[in-house]
Amino acid sequence: IAGITQAPTSQILAAGRRMTLRCTQDMRHNAMYWYRQDLGLGLRLIHYSNTAGTTGKGEVPDGYSVSRANTDDFPLTLASAVPSQTSVYFCASSRDHNTGELFFGEGSRLTVL
Amino acid sequence: ELKVEQNPLFLSMQEGKNYTIYCNYSTTSDRLYWYRQDPGKSLESLFVLLSNGAVKQEGRLMASLDTKARLSTLHITAAVHDLSATYFCAVDRQKGGSEKLVFGKGTKLTVNP
Repeated sequence: IAGITQAPTSQILAAGRRMTLRCTQDMRHNAMYWYRQDLGLGLRLIHYSNTAGTTGKGEVPDGYSVSRANTDDFPLTLASAVPSQTSVYFCASSRDHNTGELFFGEGSRLTVL
Repeated sequence: ELKVEQNPLFLSMQEGKNYTIYCNYSTTSDRLYWYRQDPGKSLESLFVLLSNGAVKQEGRLMASLDTKARLSTLHITAAVHDLSATYFCAVDRQKGGSEKLVFGKGTKLTVNP
């Protein structure tokens, strides 16, 4: 089934550890995004990529990094996890950066202790 | 700064009743999107509204956009239990790419038998 695949689905992590959330899409979409969803705060954009080889900062980028080596993959890395990064992380894509209709992955639930 | 406000944030209604969810936004935009999220699941695109006066309908849901009033509505007709979910609107800042999409906090709808 075409779409976005995220891994892991769920992870418990000790504070200070490094973690990479993986995201792969097979729709050949140019633009990809990482959001975090927190109760009462809705969805907030962490980083985005309008096309392979480029990335940009969203609303809450601190503590996170991304790379976009090719069209399909957009991993999100937490260099040194902190408890405030406990959240549900959604990867999304869109056909191009001018299209606001996003297609979301199933989410990665991360708990930092 | 673009702000997107949804109301109500929580809505409990009886099956068979009608109701409207409102999405107000603070700056000029003529592109607005509605998404649905089931508990523990991903977000799914429902409607894409790309101009003033746009109206889209799918089953018991109808969405409209009034760019002059900076208001979108999601109307529910004769609600059924399957419509229980959280509904998000998202507004396009229209400067740059889709990294400018701003989400409301969501309306959690519960339809009771």
